[in-house]
Amino acid sequence: DQQVKQNSPSLSVQEGRISILNCDYTNSMFDYFLWYKKYPAEGPTFLISISSIKDKNEDGRFTVFLNKSAKHLSLHIVPSQPGDSAVYFCAAQMNYGGSQGNLIFGKGTKLSVKP
Amino acid sequence: DGGITQSPKYLFRKEGQNVTLSCEQNLNHDAMYWYRQDPGQGLRLIYYSQIVNDFQKGDIAEGYSVSREKKESFPLTVTSAQKNPTAFYLCASTPTGYGYTFGSGTRLTVV
Repeated sequence: DQQVKQNSPSLSVQEGRISILNCDYTNSMFDYFLWYKKYPAEGPTFLISISSIKDKNEDGRFTVFLNKSAKHLSLHIVPSQPGDSAVYFCAAQMNYGGSQGNLIFGKGTKLSVKP
Repeated sequence: DGGITQSPKYLFRKEGQNVTLSCEQNLNHDAMYWYRQDPGQGLRLIYYSQIVNDFQKGDIAEGYSVSREKKESFPLTVTSAQKNPTAFYLCASTPTGYGYTFGSGTRLTVV
């Protein structure tokens, strides 16, 4: 069973508009969430994260929102730029008695930002 | 500059052969990981190691083996028992468990 789900395999957005990437999770024990960006034939790079004690974290054009009751998080990119075109992975972790468990990844959403 | 180096970038293997993918990090990270990426499948954990001389199976360890004799190195061997080895392999490391640093990946193709 998938514990982290990204139900949209792809998303197309016009340059300058907002991109919203969604992620759902099933395990209420997850306490840390991350977004990674990946270009083809490269490794993922860390984008932004959020702890379960927060509901929003912002870094420049990127904002992550966490809704614990709905077990849902989203990544907002404003304004979207062509260089943002990549695959975005949502990931989650849980704490095991003081140690962080392994990252659990979603299947990714391919974002295309059109000029 | 500190980072994770995966080599080679591209690797071709004949069916029935074992092949070893290299992963080296100079970040002084304790934990290292191997993931496999297939189209539409996301990143799936093969093996991980929290400390030298210790490693654990991930979700898809069958047909793979690893070693962790040095803190800096975590090589992955794809054995002939792995029935579908063609994939993009990613190595990662972390000092604390929060937020992984990934290498640039190795594309393995069975010919």
